[in-house]
Amino acid sequence: KNEVEQSPQNLTAQEGEFITINCSYSVGISALHWLQQHPGGGIVSLFMLSSGKKKHGRLIATINIQEKHSSLHITASHPRDSAVYICAVRRGGADGLTFGKGTHLIIQP
Amino acid sequence: DTGVSQDPRHKITKRGQNVTFRCDPISEHNRLYWYRQTLGQGPEFLTYFQNEAQLEKSRLLSNRFSAERPKGSFSTLEIQRTEQGDSAMYLCASSLRLFVGAGANVLTFGAGSRLTVL
Repeated sequence: KNEVEQSPQNLTAQEGEFITINCSYSVGISALHWLQQHPGGGIVSLFMLSSGKKKHGRLIATINIQEKHSSLHITASHPRDSAVYICAVRRGGADGLTFGKGTHLIIQP
Repeated sequence: DTGVSQDPRHKITKRGQNVTFRCDPISEHNRLYWYRQTLGQGPEFLTYFQNEAQLEKSRLLSNRFSAERPKGSFSTLEIQRTEQGDSAMYLCASSLRLFVGAGANVLTFGAGSRLTVL
């Protein structure tokens, strides 16, 4: 079992829908990252959080440390949101990130 | 400074050859990370530096792999005697850690160097 599990693996939705991507992890962490990867490989860091909730534009990230679970939400989704969204955790005491396999999101017009 | 730069963007090589990738981080960032990503998988941590010191290495980093950051600025990742299993995207990222005990800031990734070993 991977230390970081994401669901769903693939998600296709219509423009405007509310999107939720989930991340569960099995190790103690000091921080969790949500990343966006576009075709061609470029990765953009969306959020880094260790508790609570963060919001940036139409994106919201939450984390529940007790339940070892985080969610990434996209409101009013748009085709340009189509990308792979990756959850990554920084384990306590270490610094290299452990990544999930990613969620491939397609938003159709 | 426009972000993290990686060079080359693509490298095709024959099995057994050596390859070297270069990463230029954001200039004020003291932490530099190397990751590897194979097709359909999330990235995997390889190693990271704080300034010129290599602080952590993954067991994925076999003795054919070596990384350096001699002056605490750019870094190189060399793969000797490449194998077909080394084919992957090699990603570099940098961040700023302000003081001991502080968490690192958000990572900035480069566009990656794609290696194909024939």
